[in-house]
Amino acid sequence: DAGITQSPRHKVTETGTPVTLRCHQTENHRYMYWYRQDPGHGLRLIHYSYGVKDTDKGEVSDGYSVSRSKTEDFLLTLESATSSQTSVYFCAIPGQGGLGYTFGSGTRLTVV
Amino acid sequence: AQKITQTQPGMFVQEKEAVTLDCTYDTSDPSYGLFWYKQPSSGEMIFLIYQGSYDQQNATEGRYSLNFQKARKSANLVISASQLGDSAMYFCATDFGNEKLTFGTGTRLTIIP
Repeated sequence: DAGITQSPRHKVTETGTPVTLRCHQTENHRYMYWYRQDPGHGLRLIHYSYGVKDTDKGEVSDGYSVSRSKTEDFLLTLESATSSQTSVYFCAIPGQGGLGYTFGSGTRLTVV
Repeated sequence: AQKITQTQPGMFVQEKEAVTLDCTYDTSDPSYGLFWYKQPSSGEMIFLIYQGSYDQQNATEGRYSLNFQKARKSANLVISASQLGDSAMYFCATDFGNEKLTFGTGTRLTIIP
């Protein structure tokens, strides 16, 4: 009953190749988020969605695009991966009231 | 500009002692939420505690409490009677009154036996 799952968990890709990460939720929540985590920076918002086909940019959106064609799925695409996009990527959904946002298990992406 | 700050990159604390992790934020919005998360070495983000800006009392969850000082824009996490399993990265975060979380840079807590 994870509520939110990410795939893949790990990926190694070459510079210049496209990469898509998937986030799937079973909570039917309107909002979904993509964050990246890097040492010294905490988690930074890449893009978020507030409904099907409704998305907006976050703090570090350059080089990333997203799509949401169904409530349950939120895709993050790196059109042409660069080494600076090596990071751990987290998907999240809001919690109920004061229960906090729920995060997926993360995707460790390495661009070589 | 809206900002959230954790000034302690790392802390070492003796087991069974209490520990306070600092967090300050800057916003002009009157309504916002404050969150603390724990990230153990396994990498998952674990929600610990939440405080709403209009809550009159400090939030508590077991050994965790949030020392909320609204006028000082401070939301420190207090862990009582620390345990070895408390060793982890800790992040404070706020929604700044909207539907997006902004995180501090984190504090790495190490509990010493």
